[in-house]
Amino acid sequence: SQTIHQWPATLVQPVGSPLSLECTVEGTSNPNLYWYRQAAGRGLQLLFYSVGIGQISSEVPQNLSASRPQDRQFILSSKKLLLSDSGFYLCAWSQRGREAFFGQGTRLTVV
Amino acid sequence: AQTVTQSQPEMSVQEAETVTLSCTYDTSESNYYLFWYKQPPSRQMILVIRQEAYKQQNATENRFSVNFQKAAKSFSLKISDSQLGDTAMYFCAFIGLSAGNMLTFGGGTRLMVKP
Repeated sequence: SQTIHQWPATLVQPVGSPLSLECTVEGTSNPNLYWYRQAAGRGLQLLFYSVGIGQISSEVPQNLSASRPQDRQFILSSKKLLLSDSGFYLCAWSQRGREAFFGQGTRLTVV
Repeated sequence: AQTVTQSQPEMSVQEAETVTLSCTYDTSESNYYLFWYKQPPSRQMILVIRQEAYKQQNATENRFSVNFQKAAKSFSLKISDSQLGDTAMYFCAFIGLSAGNMLTFGGGTRLMVKP
């Protein structure tokens, strides 16, 4: 069966520090991978979308970047965090045209 | 580009009653899937129900059913016999079957089930 791992679950980082959130998928190959951000009580904002290794689509210009070094690994990064980067980050995977399955999420607080 | 609209930011329902959440979408694609996701206070995203656009029959999963109106581009979720555990954010989502298409979510509806 397929599983998705996202870590860490909670992170508190100072302004200006770097960020690396990692997401890995097991039990499938060539998945579509997504990074979403969710403000408290709000909807999902699509940040990045990948259909294959090294193929990243950015939906929102921002202080963040994403990379896909391996087929089932998706990394969200920042060189210097801003206060506005605080939020709940969700990684997800899907096969083409099918539903997405989500990780447990990372609650990021930038202080 | 696809858009998904949920016009009800918040709703409430009495326990054991029925509630319907609305969703409309806009697309030029003919083949696609629609979904409803539930996000309880734990914030874990849980798939509630899926609908293939080529199927005329409305999907049903236990107490959850949809009213899929393809011509009207409407996809509502009906929750029967509401339970306290149904309290959550509900998101409608769309994905087309064209190459490279991505999952698009509505803004969500916060549902409160009252005892």
